[in-house]
Amino acid sequence: RKEVEQDPGPFNVPEGATVAFNCTYSNSASQSFFWYRQDCRKEPKLLMSVYSSGNEDGRFTAQLNRASQYISLLIRDSKLSDSATYLCAVKGASNTGKLIFGQGTTLQVKP
Amino acid sequence: DTGVSQNPRHKITKRGQNVTFRCDPISEHNRLYWYRQTLGQGPEFLTYFQNEAQLEKSRLLSDRFSAERPKGSFSTLEIQRTEQGDSAMYLCASSPLAGNTQYFGPGTRLTVL
Repeated sequence: RKEVEQDPGPFNVPEGATVAFNCTYSNSASQSFFWYRQDCRKEPKLLMSVYSSGNEDGRFTAQLNRASQYISLLIRDSKLSDSATYLCAVKGASNTGKLIFGQGTTLQVKP
Repeated sequence: DTGVSQNPRHKITKRGQNVTFRCDPISEHNRLYWYRQTLGQGPEFLTYFQNEAQLEKSRLLSDRFSAERPKGSFSTLEIQRTEQGDSAMYLCASSPLAGNTQYFGPGTRLTVL
């Protein structure tokens, strides 16, 4: 079983739709959680950190469920420019610096 | 541009050759990370430095791979005797000592023929 798992999709949605992605992690000691966006052949760019209480940034909402060990990303009012791959990343215990990434979920927003 | 920079951006080499990549982190970021990403996968951790000390290495980092950060600023990643399986995007990231957020450079795309 992979340490961090995502549904690779693709998710094909019309403009204006609401779409949600989940990401599960296996290490209950994980401490920090992130969503990155990656455009084709580009580097991952931080979209948002995920806090225990959940957090929102414009049309994007991230949530953490420690009991079930998953994080989620909700995108409201999808734009064409939201088309990308969304990577979740998990940092383990405090003595490790590494991020463990999921495979990524591909979103294609159609006009 | 004050972001993470990497050079070269692309490298094509023949199997068996050695290659070296450079990463310049965001100024004053103490931590520097190397990842490898293949098509359709997320980045996989290779190694990380805090200042000049290499604190963690993945088992993916075979003995053909070596990374250095001699003065705690830029870092190099060398792959000796390259194999076709080494073809990937090599990503560098940096973060401040007091934070967990990692910022990525544009990557070096390696193709081994």
